[in-house]
Amino acid sequence: QKEVEQDPGPLSVPEGAIVSLNCTYSNSAFQYFMWYRQYSRKGPELLMYTYSSGNKEDGRFTAQVDKSSKYISLFIRDSQPSDSATYLCAMSVLNSGGYQKVTFGTGTKLQVIP
Amino acid sequence: DTAVSQTPKYLVTQMGNDKSIKCEQNLGHDTMYWYKQDSKKFLKIMFSYNNKELIINETVPNRFSPKSPDKAHLNLHINSLELGDSAVYFCASSQDSPLASYEQYFGPGTRLTVT
Repeated sequence: QKEVEQDPGPLSVPEGAIVSLNCTYSNSAFQYFMWYRQYSRKGPELLMYTYSSGNKEDGRFTAQVDKSSKYISLFIRDSQPSDSATYLCAMSVLNSGGYQKVTFGTGTKLQVIP
Repeated sequence: DTAVSQTPKYLVTQMGNDKSIKCEQNLGHDTMYWYKQDSKKFLKIMFSYNNKELIINETVPNRFSPKSPDKAHLNLHINSLELGDSAVYFCASSQDSPLASYEQYFGPGTRLTVT
């Protein structure tokens, strides 16, 4: 079993739809929970991060963490064609050297159709 | 100004060859990383350096050898290239504080194709 599981999609939605992206994980030691966005042929870029269970909102994006269920979600409201990208969930744990080691999900490819 | 840059962007080579990929960051970060992203978009950590010191070394074949001449540069040398090495290699960097290293800045990637 992989430490982080993510539905690869692809997910295709009409413009304006609410998008829900999800990941599950098995390592209860994970401390930070992130969502990265990766456009085609580009490097990933950090979209949002959270440290504890609960919701965090940033504009049209809401990140949700449920540590008891080992489940994280990213919601995108009023989705736009410019949101079309691959979304990677990521989680980090402090390694023995005192550094955060980040583990990525496999990514969900999202297409927003105008 | 490009924050994290990699050269070359594309690399096509034959099996058995030795090649290097270079990475530079101008963000003033102390920590740098190499990741491998396969055809299914799975992004896996290979190495991490903090101020020229190796801090993360995942299970990677000995044919892969990172080198950090200074904290702004992290290069990756690959010996005896194999077909399975074909992937996109990303360099990344993060802030000085180890506790803040979850926020990583990625380069544009180097697409390596081994024929």
